[in-house]
Amino acid sequence: GDSVTQMEGPVTLSEEAFLTINCTYTATGYPSLFWYVQYPGEGLQLLLKATKADDKGSNKGFEATYRKETTSFHLEKGSVQVSDSAVYFCARSPGAIAGNKLTFGGGTRVLVKP
Amino acid sequence: GAVVSQHPSWVICKSGTSVKIECRSLDFQATTMFWYRQFPKQSLMLMATSNEGSKATYEQGVEKDKFLINHASLTLSTLTVTSAHPEDSSFYICSAPKTGMNTEAFFGQGTRLTVV
Repeated sequence: GDSVTQMEGPVTLSEEAFLTINCTYTATGYPSLFWYVQYPGEGLQLLLKATKADDKGSNKGFEATYRKETTSFHLEKGSVQVSDSAVYFCARSPGAIAGNKLTFGGGTRVLVKP
Repeated sequence: GAVVSQHPSWVICKSGTSVKIECRSLDFQATTMFWYRQFPKQSLMLMATSNEGSKATYEQGVEKDKFLINHASLTLSTLTVTSAHPEDSSFYICSAPKTGMNTEAFFGQGTRLTVV
């Protein structure tokens, strides 16, 4: 079945460091890909998405490119802040609508230290 | 963004009892809601799709009689864990899609269930 695999955390970084969280997905059909973020004590929030190959999603300084050839959707941010400390989830859905059934990766906890 | 409220945020119950978890869309209507379960250090797994006014659709391997879902109104879905056992201890999260130009799923804060 469909699956998403992302790197395990926790990832601990200093402020202004470069962040990469790897994510790979099963290539069944034409999935859309998402990154969700969960800040402490809050629900999951959509961070960015890409609906087809070579699309780049971006938001709040984060970027991820839909790579069909490597079935990857790695999340990157050039300079993290303490406020980026959260758990990040990579996810896929069968189609373009973010509200549809989602298959999640295991989540990666990121801790940014001042 | 839209708000989905989940209640309670945590609950401890005794084996054999039932626990009800509520998921409310506070500022929009949702004909469909999704229930997920997350085991420690594992993915969120979709359990079921809750449909307003009709039966829920369960994913393979999820016991319908164990996890009762009721979607009685356009803003409320409930998940009842019946005759809970320690193996039901988990983190349960609901989501509700808000349809529009860019349909997006909004998530509740989650409910940590511990069965003792």
